Amino acid sequence: ETGVTQTPRHLVMGMTNKKSLKCEQHLGHNAMYWYKQSAKKPLELMFVYSLEERVENNSVPSRFSPECPNSSHLFLHLHTLQPEDSALYLCASSRTGTGVSPLHFGNGTRLTVT
Amino acid sequence: KQEVTQIPAALSVPEGENLVLNCSFTDSAIYNLQWFRQDPGKGLTSLLLIQSSQREQTSGRLNASLDKSSGRSTLYIAASQPGDSATYLCAVREGTTSGTYKYIFGTGTRLKVLA
Repeated sequence: ETGVTQTPRHLVMGMTNKKSLKCEQHLGHNAMYWYKQSAKKPLELMFVYSLEERVENNSVPSRFSPECPNSSHLFLHLHTLQPEDSALYLCASSRTGTGVSPLHFGNGTRLTVT
Repeated sequence: KQEVTQIPAALSVPEGENLVLNCSFTDSAIYNLQWFRQDPGKGLTSLLLIQSSQREQTSGRLNASLDKSSGRSTLYIAASQPGDSATYLCAVREGTTSGTYKYIFGTGTRLKVLA
């Protein structure tokens, strides 16, 4: 399998649930990102990991908790979410360092909080 | 604070037309600019990446230009086809070194090419 894979594709959860989103990349990249895409708003950067170290945390509420156990895997742990957290959550990866390194995205997880 | 704007928000054209999508950004201190395509319910597909030192990039029927000093980029699509229908987004990578990771996105232009 190639590219960036996200699971699950769809998730419906209640406000008291705990769930996790998973992202896996097979591109040999060493930087991974979580973005949130809401209707009629630009993509919002949530977290960035470079070489498994968190390098960006964009004032995201603590009910979202990222985890990067290695350079190929990224998780987003969710707990006590709010209905306004319903959105498309996109994972991306790139290569760090100099040179041309485009962002590569997965197909996202469509999250609905009820 | 970097802001990225894309105009128009939506565009509908007949098949075969050449068209231009616009992207503007407020801070010229960028590392690169990337154009993406997003189909409904899907992730983003990278189309073209322009480094800050470059003026343009081409791939097939697509040509992207960058004028960093004026904070503008354009995506030119030649001989448009119905399969080009999608939302097109531009994103600038902030900063001037490779050690930055923050991409700021515009809200996109929703393109519909009519057969």
